[in-house]
Amino acid sequence: QLQLVESGGGVVQPGGSLTLSCAASGFTFSRYAMHWVRQAPGKGLDWVAFIRYDGGSKYYADSVKGRFTISRDNSQNTLYLQMNSLRTDDTAVYYCTKAGSGWDFDNWGQGTLVTVSS
Amino acid sequence: QSALTQPASVSGSPGQSITISCSGSGSDVGNYDLVSWYQQHPGKAPKLMICEVTKRPSGVSNRFSGSKSGNTASLTISGLQAEDEANYYCSSYAGDNNVVFGGGTKLTVL
Repeated sequence: QLQLVESGGGVVQPGGSLTLSCAASGFTFSRYAMHWVRQAPGKGLDWVAFIRYDGGSKYYADSVKGRFTISRDNSQNTLYLQMNSLRTDDTAVYYCTKAGSGWDFDNWGQGTLVTVSS
Repeated sequence: QSALTQPASVSGSPGQSITISCSGSGSDVGNYDLVSWYQQHPGKAPKLMICEVTKRPSGVSNRFSGSKSGNTASLTISGLQAEDEANYYCSSYAGDNNVVFGGGTKLTVL
């Protein structure tokens, strides 16, 4: 059974850094592109970043470009999101998602909460 | 402000049909057949219900259907059931390797 399990969330001060991880199982991780999608408390969904199956292409939302870095380790079936220069408006639940066939998100993890606050 | 516009709320009685609209522009919904719909129950992760405008992933009830006309996509739920009460979000590819979401619609089953 396909599973995506995020970890690494927590409370961080503005300007700080945090790295999220997503452990994938139940499918051939190295064959699929992946995304991070976030959701601020009580708000809607917000696409964050994409990485190709082999890590060869990476794309970011304008709001995180230059501050966040998506990466993957196919030998460990793990997706990462390195977040630097965090701002209060980065506070959200961050979801790891498996890419579908057409820029959709066909499987989601349970999410990990990142709170940016002083 | 979200890139795609959805009604804040819709409601219907059990057994009825409802439609949720998702209005975009010629840069996103109108230019690509890459609209998706997600169902999210409170405190849970979203679930993909429709992809590529009309396709239903395996395991999704055939009571859910999608369509598109011009810059507006729609999700129709027929034979409403209590378990359908949730928030629904649309998304669309918007070119330049970017995805945009709607603000979400709260469906209430009366």
